[in-house]
Amino acid sequence: DAGVTQSPTHLIKTRGQQVTLRCSPKSGHDTVSWYQQALGQGPQFIFQYYEEEERQRGNFPDRFSGHQFPNYSSELNVNALLLGDSALYLCASSRLAGVVDTQYFGPGTRLTVL
Amino acid sequence: AQKVTQAQTEISVVEKEDVTLDCVYETRDTTYYLFWYKQPPSGELVFLIRRNSFDEQNEISGRYSWNFQKSTSSFNFTITASQVVDSAVYFCALSEAGSGTYKYIFGTGTRLKVLA
Repeated sequence: DAGVTQSPTHLIKTRGQQVTLRCSPKSGHDTVSWYQQALGQGPQFIFQYYEEEERQRGNFPDRFSGHQFPNYSSELNVNALLLGDSALYLCASSRLAGVVDTQYFGPGTRLTVL
Repeated sequence: AQKVTQAQTEISVVEKEDVTLDCVYETRDTTYYLFWYKQPPSGELVFLIRRNSFDEQNEISGRYSWNFQKSTSSFNFTITASQVVDSAVYFCALSEAGSGTYKYIFGTGTRLKVLA
């Protein structure tokens, strides 16, 4: 049973560029959440997707956007990259968006903005 | 407002010692869930335990045990007879169910170093 997978593992971009990160949820899961984890900090909630729609959003600017596909996989897009966007981006999947289900995390994508 | 505090930034112990990681939470909700995750150097958050606000029973799983006390808003994690493989960053998280939000609020983590 495959767990949550994310790609790419690492990414280096320059300021002002755009980036797309990808996530495939755990088998049987239909809800995907994205978190940003800066160095030495706990993960911060970006948004959650269910039924191809953004259900909830954290305190992140509109430069952060996402998408969920019919197969439940998801993308996180960040436009106009800033140095402060450098972080580990974690994807988590869960079932039953109507309840607080346990979120299972992927290995993350480490984004470095130069 | 919801908040999770892990006051211990870093703890170092010698192998076979017991160690307790503290977690204090704040919430106005009566229905909420608490979690512990382990983050090894690889970066992936590994789920350890989930507790709902109506279940204050302590839980033991092998060398791991958890103490949930609503009276002090704490959900502490104890590792008995620690091993080098326990070295990681441990996160406590809170999710409020009653307010219609399903995001997790994480603490800043406690880095545990177990020395051989």
